Amino acid sequence: AQSVSQHNHHVILSEAASLELGCNYSYGGTVNLFWYVQYPGQHLQLLLKYFSGDPLVKGIKGFEAEFIKSKFSFNLRKPSVQWSDTAEYFCAVQSSGYSSASKIIFGSGTRLSIRP
Amino acid sequence: EAGVTQSPTHLIKTRGQQVTLRCSPISGHTSVYWYQQALGLGLQFLLWYDEGEERNRGNFPPRFSGRQFPNYSSELNVNALELEDSALYLCASMGRGFLEAFFGQGTRLTVV
Repeated sequence: AQSVSQHNHHVILSEAASLELGCNYSYGGTVNLFWYVQYPGQHLQLLLKYFSGDPLVKGIKGFEAEFIKSKFSFNLRKPSVQWSDTAEYFCAVQSSGYSSASKIIFGSGTRLSIRP
Repeated sequence: EAGVTQSPTHLIKTRGQQVTLRCSPISGHTSVYWYQQALGLGLQFLLWYDEGEERNRGNFPPRFSGRQFPNYSSELNVNALELEDSALYLCASMGRGFLEAFFGQGTRLTVV
């Protein structure tokens, strides 16, 4: 069964600091990987996704993530955060291809607080 | 194009009652996922429906159930409500390409 671990529950940074949020997953097969963001009072929305190909994927708002297969990791990065990045961030994994395992499993989330 | 819509937005129920939550996916999407988001626990996978069939369910008791209708809308039913069922219930839909899940705004359920 798939599982996702996000090790940082709450991260506090100052504006312009660099960000890296950890995500590790557990699954024996090939996977699709996602990062979603939930801004205060808003829907969950997709930041970026990895399906195949270049393991470094770029998303919206200057975010990027790197898939390291050997480490089962998909860490989220941003070189310089802004106050508007204050939100909760969720990593998710899905079994590739269509099967009963193709449910999307989320991590417990990381709350990011940016000090102006 | 309308997004994923959920109803109602807020609900207060008493312990032991039953509740039905509704989800309308994006037009053309056949998959509907249900999640429970309780404080500090992230999104816990509840159920996945596709093409009218239940494809997978999470580690929740049988009093959590649901169905998907021919128009791909979905219902989540929770029987014998318990206080710990208080949470935000999120619905997401996905198209046949499985490219991205789109989320609704959720239903906030409070059990008293």
